[in-house]
Amino acid sequence: AQSVSQHNHHVILSEAASLELGCNYSYGGTVNLFWYVQYPGQHLQLLLKYFSGDPLVKGIKGFEAEFIKSKFSFNLRKPSVQWSDTAEYFCARSLHNNNDMRFGAGTRLTVKP
Amino acid sequence: ETGVTQTPRHLVMGMTNKKSLKCEQHLGHNAMYWYKQSAKKPLELMFVYNFKEQTENNSVPSRFSPECPNSSHLFLHLHTLQPEDSALYLCASSRETNPSSYNEQFFGPGTRLTVL
Repeated sequence: AQSVSQHNHHVILSEAASLELGCNYSYGGTVNLFWYVQYPGQHLQLLLKYFSGDPLVKGIKGFEAEFIKSKFSFNLRKPSVQWSDTAEYFCARSLHNNNDMRFGAGTRLTVKP
Repeated sequence: ETGVTQTPRHLVMGMTNKKSLKCEQHLGHNAMYWYKQSAKKPLELMFVYNFKEQTENNSVPSRFSPECPNSSHLFLHLHTLQPEDSALYLCASSRETNPSSYNEQFFGPGTRLTVL
């Protein structure tokens, strides 16, 4: 069974549209959750992370994600996307007691100007 | 620029060749990782080193052989690879492997490997 599932392979939006990318993980214990972004031709970089505390996490560039434990979800949101948000987005989880990081297959976001 | 460099950026090799991928981190981290990124598939964690000791080997075939001579350098030695091994190989580093708020993984740009 896949540890991290990202529901959409490719999302196409117009500028100023709102974004929500789905992410579900399959582990019943304590997890740490991450969203990484990979811009065209660039390295993977961290957008935001959840370890504990407030389940609504704010990251860089106006992104946020909400950890909903009952749904095993950590969806990424942005109220108004820009053309420069065109990239591939990866959800990941690690376990609380080790750093076995598992990634989803990624969602490619294309923002049309 | 994340402070993690990888060379070469592109590599084409035959199935009988032997080559090595190199990763270097300038962040003072103690943990380093190799990942494989194939098209349309999740990133796969291959190897983890913490303080130069290998702590994870996720059932990777023996034709991939890692080496970590010190906390700043990580190599992936390749021999008798198969065409299905063609992928982007990513290196990452973190302060250590014990996850906490401060153990974000920083990724290098990757080596695009093509096996003919």
